[in-house]
Amino acid sequence: GAVVSQHPSWVICKSGTSVKIECRSLDFQATTMFWYRQFPKQSLMLMATSNEGSKATYEQGVEKDKFLINHASLTLSTLTVTSAHPEDSSFYICSASGGSFYEQYFGPGTRLTVT
Amino acid sequence: QKEVEQNSGPLSVPEGAIASLNCTYSDRGSQSFFWYRQYSGKSPELIMSIYSNGDKEDGRFTAQLNKASQYVSLLIRDSQPSDSATYLCAVSLNKFYFGSGTKLNVKP
Repeated sequence: GAVVSQHPSWVICKSGTSVKIECRSLDFQATTMFWYRQFPKQSLMLMATSNEGSKATYEQGVEKDKFLINHASLTLSTLTVTSAHPEDSSFYICSASGGSFYEQYFGPGTRLTVT
Repeated sequence: QKEVEQNSGPLSVPEGAIASLNCTYSDRGSQSFFWYRQYSGKSPELIMSIYSNGDKEDGRFTAQLNKASQYVSLLIRDSQPSDSATYLCAVSLNKFYFGSGTKLNVKP
């Protein structure tokens, strides 16, 4: 299957700082990338969908000014959590796809802890 | 009504048995169907994709799709303790929808 990497795999930051998470598709061109958040023992929650070169589409309730998504190339998308607070602590997972009808391949996830 | 429904479980089966995981979806126009496995603390991993009615087999896994009944299932033959995980059903039309997952426990 296709390989998606994420960096960093875990990060601890202080409240009020910003954190950037990178998602890369290593062996295919990802026209669409997705960002999810998952709290312990809960389901995946889609935060936003981004297409290369376009603005991300955010799900209802997700603050676009707080979670900045950039999908500048067919292999790289970034999620920046701005002014992070302890309630933003979660497992953030990206996935990449060749299109809406096709499989999503997930990165290994980034565990964010905000102190 | 949720777009994709799964029984949350847990589903417990003995080692060596067949585990049957089920999923229903609401949008009759859905075209693509996927099963993912997620181990605790890890990200989901694609197991199977199925696009047309019928069965699709891959090793110990068989995906079954019935579009008339809006039903997709995953059978795991010869279940192993390492199969213990949460299994997510996903359906795609113009958007991807995940079910909340079924937790499977395979007991040695």
